[in-house]
Amino acid sequence: GQNIDQPTEMTATEGAIVQINCTYQTSGFNGLFWYQQHAGEAPTFLSYNVLDGLEEKGRFSSFLSRSKGYSYPLLKELQMKDSASYLCAARMNRDDKIIFGKGTRLHILP
Amino acid sequence: DTAVSQTPKYLVTQMGNDKSIKCEQNLGHDTMYWYKQDSKKFLKIMFSYNNKELIINETVPNRFSPKSPDKAHLNLHINSLELGDSAVYFCASSPMGRARTGELFFGEGSRLTVL
Repeated sequence: GQNIDQPTEMTATEGAIVQINCTYQTSGFNGLFWYQQHAGEAPTFLSYNVLDGLEEKGRFSSFLSRSKGYSYPLLKELQMKDSASYLCAARMNRDDKIIFGKGTRLHILP
Repeated sequence: DTAVSQTPKYLVTQMGNDKSIKCEQNLGHDTMYWYKQDSKKFLKIMFSYNNKELIINETVPNRFSPKSPDKAHLNLHINSLELGDSAVYFCASSPMGRARTGELFFGEGSRLTVL
């Protein structure tokens, strides 16, 4: 079976750091995506992790542990514009299917 | 130029009608997808095509029929619309191959409301 879990909502303060956890249970796992989606807009690509470890890209980092079926994005120096939904998605070996979790709605408070 | 474009962006129709949504990508990608995002914002895969060939069909009712006339286009036709079909439908394309991540490039979405 395939299952991707992430919290429904989170709240953080402007200027702070936030980590959004995602656990996955899939057969034939090939890699883990993070997408950002602002209300009323299409999802946009943030990161893709295939190997274990942390990958950093400015204010945004993404971590993957394949053995634990666990990933998170780390957003630093939060800005109001970071208020959005963050979607965890697993890429499957079979058919290169990309399946999404239900998304975490992140609220940033001033 | 828009990379992945869908039309129409908004569609309001009565139950029982038939409607189509069109999608075109100018990125030269081989693979295209349809995703459905419901009111709870859950993005669920429906279909994927690779170079005009159906690859994924995620147990979608037969009322939904995708058509890919060429690898740059993937249209979605829906027969006998039901209330539960109300959602935002996203088209996406993806470059495939070992050298690429296979990330999805989404269109702006088509919001379908069935009354």
